[in-house]
Amino acid sequence: SAVISQKPSRDICQRGTSLTIQCQVDSQVTMMFWYRQQPGQSLTLIATANQGSEATYESGFVIDKFPISRPNLTFSTLTVSNMSPEDSSIYLCSVNAGNTGELFFGEGSRLTVL
Amino acid sequence: TQLLEQSPQFLSIQEGENLTVYCNSSSVFSSLQWYRQEPGEGPVLLVTVVTGGEVKKLKRLTFQFGDARKDSSLHITAAQPGDTGLYLCAGAGMEYGNKLVFGAGTILRVKS
Repeated sequence: SAVISQKPSRDICQRGTSLTIQCQVDSQVTMMFWYRQQPGQSLTLIATANQGSEATYESGFVIDKFPISRPNLTFSTLTVSNMSPEDSSIYLCSVNAGNTGELFFGEGSRLTVL
Repeated sequence: TQLLEQSPQFLSIQEGENLTVYCNSSSVFSSLQWYRQEPGEGPVLLVTVVTGGEVKKLKRLTFQFGDARKDSSLHITAAQPGDTGLYLCAGAGMEYGNKLVFGAGTILRVKS
């Protein structure tokens, strides 16, 4: 198993500002995944972060809006840039748990943009 | 169109009732997972099924993988208020690489 800590757990931000979410894992992992989730809804993958290379973004998500850092095998950050109310969501960090693709998730960061 | 169609979207039942959540696809998956998520928490893995026709039990929860590995179901017997949460199915397969395909989710509310 893996223990994943995310910070902040929640924040209220002003339109036009940026917020960086941190994700710390208690073991070394190759890939980390960042998801977005509207409350009560399913998960949408934003990007996959590998250590030592640029993140791979899914359709509809771009690096300028969601820059990601992956400085080592236990840590990653996701920045939500130039925020608008449409960015209000829960952002989740996750890592692989097994060889059949299972995921461990952090507790999520609930972002509200005013 | 979702690759994994999950139904129902919302279920509100009384304590003690039984329920089934379905996850269907036209695609074949090498494995299928079920997660439960409570408010303010991340999703937590409940089970993974990998063999067509496989049935797994977790206390009052029964998970089944379809023979053709295109669908799955989650059955809860004698639901408890503690079962309340968002249930998500997710499929894995070679054609999706390292990524999981998630269903839309089922919000379950069990009233006491």
